[in-house]
Amino acid sequence: AQSVTQLGSHVSVSEGALVLLRCNYSSSVPPYLFWYVQYPNQGLQLLLKYTTGATLVKGINGFEAEFKKSETSFHLTKPSAHMSDAAEYFCAVSEGAQKLVFGQGTRLTINP
Amino acid sequence: GAGVSQSPSNKVTEKGKDVELRCDPISGHTALYWYRQSLGQGLEFLIYFQGNSAPDKSGLPSDRFSAERTGGSVSTLTIQRTQQEDSAVYLCASSLRDRGGYTFGSGTRLTVV
Repeated sequence: AQSVTQLGSHVSVSEGALVLLRCNYSSSVPPYLFWYVQYPNQGLQLLLKYTTGATLVKGINGFEAEFKKSETSFHLTKPSAHMSDAAEYFCAVSEGAQKLVFGQGTRLTINP
Repeated sequence: GAGVSQSPSNKVTEKGKDVELRCDPISGHTALYWYRQSLGQGLEFLIYFQGNSAPDKSGLPSDRFSAERTGGSVSTLTIQRTQQEDSAVYLCASSLRDRGGYTFGSGTRLTVV
């Protein structure tokens, strides 16, 4: 069965610094991979997804992620953090059926 | 509608009572999902509907939980004889048949007292 591990339940960076949120997955077939963001008291919003093709995926709000099959990773990055990026971020994987399996989430805090 | 709509947004109920949570998916989306989000538990899959196929109920935690989807559109998640451990945010999502990702509703925050 597929699974997702997000390294670090809390990440704190300074405004303007690089954001790196780590995600490793386990899947027996080529996976589809997703990052979602959740702002307080809101539902989840899709940031970006990898299905097939180019392994570097660009999403909304300046985020991008790279699918590395050899490392079974799909880390999320943003070159320069903004205060509005403070939220919880979820990595997810699906294989075969459409059901998504989510990681435990990483809470991102931005320090002024 | 433009997005996935869930109601109520908040629900406080007494232990032992039954509750119904409603989800209106995006028009035309054939797949509908329920997830539960508890503190420290991440997102837990509950149930998945796809068109007229039998639902995938593999995530329902007990037989107190059930869900139906009428006419391929609106879905209701029912929790019978609620327990305090049922307190969580219940999220609904819908998608087209492809694996392009879900659109989530804002959730129903259930508190069992």
